[in-house]
Amino acid sequence: DQQVKQNSPSLSVQEGRISILNCDYTNSMFDYFLWYKKYPAEGPTFLISISSIKDKNEDGRFTVFLNKSAKHLSLHIVPSQPGDSAVYFCAASALYTGANSKLTFGKGITLSVRP
Amino acid sequence: SAVISQKPSRDICQRGTSLTIQCQVDSQVTMMFWYRQQPGQSLTLIATANQGSEATYESGFVIDKFPISRPNLTFSTLTVSNMSPEDSSIYLCSVDFGGRAREQFFGPGTRLTVL
Repeated sequence: DQQVKQNSPSLSVQEGRISILNCDYTNSMFDYFLWYKKYPAEGPTFLISISSIKDKNEDGRFTVFLNKSAKHLSLHIVPSQPGDSAVYFCAASALYTGANSKLTFGKGITLSVRP
Repeated sequence: SAVISQKPSRDICQRGTSLTIQCQVDSQVTMMFWYRQQPGQSLTLIATANQGSEATYESGFVIDKFPISRPNLTFSTLTVSNMSPEDSSIYLCSVDFGGRAREQFFGPGTRLTVL
């Protein structure tokens, strides 16, 4: 039972255009969401996060939108650059008493930005 | 963030043998975790490495197969025991500094191939 779903395995966009990466979740206890970027032969790198009390968080070219009612979040990259080509993972966590902040990951989306 | 290193970076092992993976952090951290990423799959949490006590394992993972040590706040090891080809994966450690932020920071990973 996959609690975090990234249904599109890949996305290709033109340099300078917007990249929109989608993520859906099923566990209503999730209250914190994160995006990671992963290059081959490296560990995932934290990009941006959002708490469930917000619907938007922005950091430079990266913006994450959260729609709690739809259990959906998206990562927008504007403008896209060739160096953004990587695998992007959506992750979620649920903070409840006595638990650690373990993360549940989606399968990832491979983004290719064409020059 | 933190500088996280893992040893070895990759290894090729024979069926039935064991491999110990080390994770070293350049500063004291609250939480350390071990994940597995099987080919084409998402990152799956194996266990939380607890300092001075037994690790907390996720469903589907057992101590006999994946013994973990965490002797201090900057170091942990994961052993993959009695390996089979199904254990071929990337193994990653991550750290969490605690507090309100729930971002985890990952090491570069250990790519294990079992023949």
